[in-house]
Amino acid sequence: KQEVTQIPAALSVPEGENLVLNCSFTDSAIYNLQWFRQDPGKGLTSLLLIQSSQREQTSGRLNASLDKSSGRSTLYIAASQPGDSATYLCAVRSTNAGGTSYGKLTFGQGTILTVHP
Amino acid sequence: DTEVTQTPKHLVMGMTNKKSLKCEQHMGHRAMYWYKQKAKKPPELMFVYSYEKLSINESVPSRFSPECPNSSLLNLHLHALQPEDSALYLCASSQVWTIQETQYFGPGTRLLVL
Repeated sequence: KQEVTQIPAALSVPEGENLVLNCSFTDSAIYNLQWFRQDPGKGLTSLLLIQSSQREQTSGRLNASLDKSSGRSTLYIAASQPGDSATYLCAVRSTNAGGTSYGKLTFGQGTILTVHP
Repeated sequence: DTEVTQTPKHLVMGMTNKKSLKCEQHMGHRAMYWYKQKAKKPPELMFVYSYEKLSINESVPSRFSPECPNSSLLNLHLHALQPEDSALYLCASSQVWTIQETQYFGPGTRLLVL
């Protein structure tokens, strides 16, 4: 059974800092890994998706890396801003025995990020 | 249009009521999902539909009844709920399980069961 862990559970930083959020998963047979952002009481917004064959993806100030063999992913946020304050969720889509996927995402518990001015 | 819409935004119901949640997307996605999210917890998958057929039921109690009447609509019928069913209910949609599949989430329906 896939288990996803995110560290730290909460992070508070001053504006302008670069920061790293960590995600680890127990089963390396993954299809892809996604990072989401969730604002309080709202739905999830997909930030980056890394396919199992890829090592990293970049979008603006965000960079996500994937090391499938060690079961780890990191989300790097450069030059953080107060508007980045939100909960960041890592989600893994695993493969089944046939190497395909049924679309089920397993989420980590999330990292609550606060960027203060 | 990359939007998933959900109605209503908020719902309060008694334990004897029957209500329905609605989800709609017009991105041509053929996979649709219901998730339940309790406060300060990650979303938990409830149901997955692909090509309008139920493909995953994560052992959800029968008081939750999903329905996919067409490729754009997903409903969740609620009956005889318990107070512990109070949560944010999220709908999502995606292409059917390509390796680049991204799930697009709606804003959710916040449900309170009294």
